[in-house]
Amino acid sequence: DARVTQTPRDKVTEMGQEVTMRCQPILGHNTVFWYRQTMMQGLELLAYFRNRAPLDDSGMPKDRFSAEMPDATLATLKIQPSEPRDSAVYFCASGLGSGGGLDTQYFGPGTRLTVL
Amino acid sequence: GEDVEQSLFLSVREGDSSVINCTYTDSSSTYLYWYKQEPGAGLQLLTYIFSNMDMKQDQRLTVLLNKKDKHLSLRIADTQTGDSAIYFCAESRRDFGNEKLTFGTGTRLTIIP
Repeated sequence: DARVTQTPRDKVTEMGQEVTMRCQPILGHNTVFWYRQTMMQGLELLAYFRNRAPLDDSGMPKDRFSAEMPDATLATLKIQPSEPRDSAVYFCASGLGSGGGLDTQYFGPGTRLTVL
Repeated sequence: GEDVEQSLFLSVREGDSSVINCTYTDSSSTYLYWYKQEPGAGLQLLTYIFSNMDMKQDQRLTVLLNKKDKHLSLRIADTQTGDSAIYFCAESRRDFGNEKLTFGTGTRLTIIP
């Protein structure tokens, strides 16, 4: 049963601390997306990768957020320093990147981040 | 505009049909999608429609597409308590040669017993 996994599921931290969220995409998928979901803003695309290369990170606050794919099985989203307004659920999704065809994205369960 | 728009809330009696509406913006979208998000979970693909179709039926789900008006709807027949969730429509957009999905705001469907 292939699925996207995310760790941790829940994270509570204090303002100013570094937060690292991890995602393991489905094996064989070549695109990885990071989204943030809040009540006010809904679902926002932060960044996405194809074949481990960042294609678009225009949705991320550049000064504090960074996203990387150290290898094909791991994507990370880091916030340093964290702020209370970063409190949200962060989703990772992966897909096959069909380039114009059906492009289903498979979502992980999310990391619920609370910054106090 | 740039946004994919949906109503935020819909309440339906159990057993009735639910109709969730969406307007999108990119007339060149190849596929349009409906995702479902249950409490505490990620989004899950429910169904999709290819842009050259105007209707697709899949068991209790019917998707209608009006390309002229850029309007997409999802009808759930015989709505059950398990259908309570947030439903997102999404359009595919080509961005510097790469496809990405733009999601609507989501419609929270509440079932009234």
